[in-house]
Parts: sequence; C-alpha cells; structure tokens
Amino acid sequence: AQSVAQPEDQVNVAEGNPLTVKCTYSVSGNPYLFWYVQYPNRGLQFLLKYITGDNLVKGSYGFEAEFNKSQTSFHLKKPSALVSDSALYFCAVRASNTGKLIFGQGTTLQVKP
Amino acid sequence: EAQVTQNPRYLITVTGKKLTVTCSQNMNHEYMSWYRQDPGLGLRQIYYSMNVEVTDKGDVPEGYKVSRKEKRNFPLILESPSPNQTSLYFCASSLSSVNRHTEAFFGQGTRLTVV
Repeated sequence: AQSVAQPEDQVNVAEGNPLTVKCTYSVSGNPYLFWYVQYPNRGLQFLLKYITGDNLVKGSYGFEAEFNKSQTSFHLKKPSALVSDSALYFCAVRASNTGKLIFGQGTTLQVKP
Repeated sequence: EAQVTQNPRYLITVTGKKLTVTCSQNMNHEYMSWYRQDPGLGLRQIYYSMNVEVTDKGDVPEGYKVSRKEKRNFPLILESPSPNQTSLYFCASSLSSVNRHTEAFFGQGTRLTVV
C-alpha cells in the first residue's frame, strides 16, 4: 500500500537552531514527493518537491529537503529556524495509479524565541 | 493570480440540510480533488476528477457527491450532512494526473460544522 508517515506530531526548536521534520514513504514506482506548509486559518502552501536528480532539494522560505532512496525518507530541513516558521507541515507522495496526493498526518513545528 | 477559490470559508449547518461547497480554479487544470482534514489523520481524499465529466471516489467518499460540468468548477455536495462530517475541507487542483511531478494548488479551506 502507498503511504506516508510523519513520526513526530510536534517538533520544538529554538529560534536560530537547525530544524528537521521527518517523513518516510512507501510507494510503487518512482516517488514524487512534496512538502506543504499550513499556517493557521490558511490553505496548504507548496514548499518544495522531489522529482529526480539531486537528492537535496531547495524550496521556498529557506527550506530544503533531503531525499534518501535506501531509507525511503524525505526529511524537511532548515539551517536556522525562525519564529515565523511555526506552522503545520505535511509531507505527501503522488500515488502512481490515480495521481492523488497521499499525505502524512502532519507535524506541528513550534519555534520558540 | 493563479488560485483556487472555495466558498464559503465557514459554515454551520444542521443535520440533514443539504449544502454545497463551491470550488473554482483559474489555471485550466485538468485534475481537481476534495480533501478533508481531521486532527491526527492528515488530509484524506474524498473525490477526484481527472477532467470534465470524469469523477471518481477517493478514500472517504461516503456521504458526499461531486460534479464536474466545467473544467474550472468542482463543487462538493453533502445531500444529508451528519455530525461526523464536521471537518475542514480543502479543494485542490493540479495540471493533470499524468503529470505526477506537478504540485497541487489548494483553496483556503472550508470549516464545516454540522450540529
């Protein structure tokens, strides 16, 4: 079965520290992986995606993600967290048959001053 | 501006009273879908449409209907809402189901409460 797992419900970091939000996936065929962010009372905003090529993908707002095929992971990272990064983050994979996005359960990132 | 527009943003209704949540996109996207977001469950797909007049069930279709008469519009219909349909709903669109590498664009969400 195709699925996405985000093992942490919440991640807490201090402002200025590096952050990592974890994601692992299971999909048949080539994985097309995405990260989205949701701010309070807002829709989901696209951050970045992995299609093929370089395992380190750079995206919006200084975020990047590292694709690891052997570990079937796609962790979201940022070298220096900002308080304004506090939000709900979703990892997703595009299903190989229907084209739908399969989402993880989401990870709340809390960045404290 | 490229966008997906949902209406209404907030809705409180009573059990059994039919309602429609509208969704419109201005990007000429073929693929549209509806998701519901519940705490701890992430987003789950309700219905999707690969093109005009082509719709299919997602993971949680019970109690919902959709239609796709025009490319830009994809309304979600709850014929007889029940309290377990209280949730946050998102409409999304993307270029096509074939172009799996393209990202989806999401509406602002509709928070539905059924009492």
